[in-house]
Amino acid sequence: DTEVTQTPKHLVMGMTNKKSLKCEQHMGHRAMYWYKQKAKKPPELMFVYSYEKLSINESVPSRFSPECPNSSLLNLHLHALQPEDSALYLCASSQEGAINSPLHFGNGTRLTVT
Amino acid sequence: AQSVTQPDIHITVSEGASLELRCNYSYGATPYLFWYVQSPGQGLQLLLKYFSGDTLVQGIKGFEAEFKRSQSSFNLRKPSVHWSDAAEYFCAVGAPDQAGTALIFGKGTTLSVSS
Repeated sequence: DTEVTQTPKHLVMGMTNKKSLKCEQHMGHRAMYWYKQKAKKPPELMFVYSYEKLSINESVPSRFSPECPNSSLLNLHLHALQPEDSALYLCASSQEGAINSPLHFGNGTRLTVT
Repeated sequence: AQSVTQPDIHITVSEGASLELRCNYSYGATPYLFWYVQSPGQGLQLLLKYFSGDTLVQGIKGFEAEFKRSQSSFNLRKPSVHWSDAAEYFCAVGAPDQAGTALIFGKGTTLSVSS
């Protein structure tokens, strides 16, 4: 069982839709991450929040908008996506934002953009 | 900047046989090193990590890895593979002296287990 919960598990959306991905952890971790993973590829970092503040944005297009309402929750708002944005979106958390703090991943949201 | 290479894209091992997955890194000092495993349809799970000290580290599920500074390697091993070990394995490296940077993942090695 994963301690990082992501919803929904699957999402199909059109290019004009607005949707949100949600991530929750109750381990008391202070850093949360969004990764994008294409099939047979490693995860690619998108955003890092540390103590509820955005600390890393890996030049992600503005059609992806992260939000960290509190230390346990992380959202990813999606708008006007492209078919090439179809991927597995993984949320992760770590005790601190330091690079030696191991990542705990959720099982991801499988996103399909039509 | 640091980098990580997993030379083997796909490995097939017979059930019960031993396993070694290779990981090579490039970094000027000792980096932080991790192995993660991803089963189909799931997120990544940490197997083990190395920061300093004893160069042979034990992880979960019977895995171990050895840090070899002279070879810039951090290979993952298991003495006897089970069918449930079939998964994607990622080596990752982090730079201790570069604040604000993130882990770099290798491209992964797919492990298949034959009966």
